[in-house]
Amino acid sequence: GQQLNQSPQSMFIQEGEDVSMNCTSSSIFNTWLWYKQDPGEGPVLLIALYKAGELTSNGRLTAQFGITRKDSFLNISASIPSDVGIYFCAGPMNRDDKIIFGKGTRLHILP
Amino acid sequence: ETGVTQTPRHLVMGMTNKKSLKCEQHLGHNAMYWYKQSAKKPLELMFVYNFKEQTENNSVPSRFSPECPNSSHLFLHLHTLQPEDSALYLCASSRLPGGSGNTIYFGEGSWLTVV
Repeated sequence: GQQLNQSPQSMFIQEGEDVSMNCTSSSIFNTWLWYKQDPGEGPVLLIALYKAGELTSNGRLTAQFGITRKDSFLNISASIPSDVGIYFCAGPMNRDDKIIFGKGTRLHILP
Repeated sequence: ETGVTQTPRHLVMGMTNKKSLKCEQHLGHNAMYWYKQSAKKPLELMFVYNFKEQTENNSVPSRFSPECPNSSHLFLHLHTLQPEDSALYLCASSRLPGGSGNTIYFGEGSWLTVV
């Protein structure tokens, strides 16, 4: 079936470090969505990307829609403790498909 | 505040109880969803409703019974659950159930513990 592969599955970083994670698919996506889920809460939309090559920022977060339309990247600069959580990528594969989610990247920040 | 409100936030129920989870969205969306998220597992889509009609049931056991009386409200009726059903249940909504340019908005979730 249709799948989104997120990597890495888990990250342990020092506070202040930059973070990079990605999402890939064997199929073309027309929209890429990035969500963050804090422990015990629902996922919250961070960034939405709608065009191949698009680069969008939201504060310290930057996401890019890959040129091939089969991948997307999320970068976090100068990580802080509240960045801890699970980051999900998601998107519909084509005009009529439902939105599917990756398995998430768990971000842990060491003091 | 995402515009999707879930109640209760926490629920503890026995295996013989009947309870319901409620979701309300104030975004004017037409599609609503129930997801299940167990500890350290990915999001599992359970049900999708579009304009009050169920469009997807991902082989969910009949002890979970959804109800969508209108585009703004979604319920998940629970009966004779098992301990392995303990999880975070997330409601979500979107303008449409799929397609480019569509975005899903989640509620804060209902933590369910079955004892």
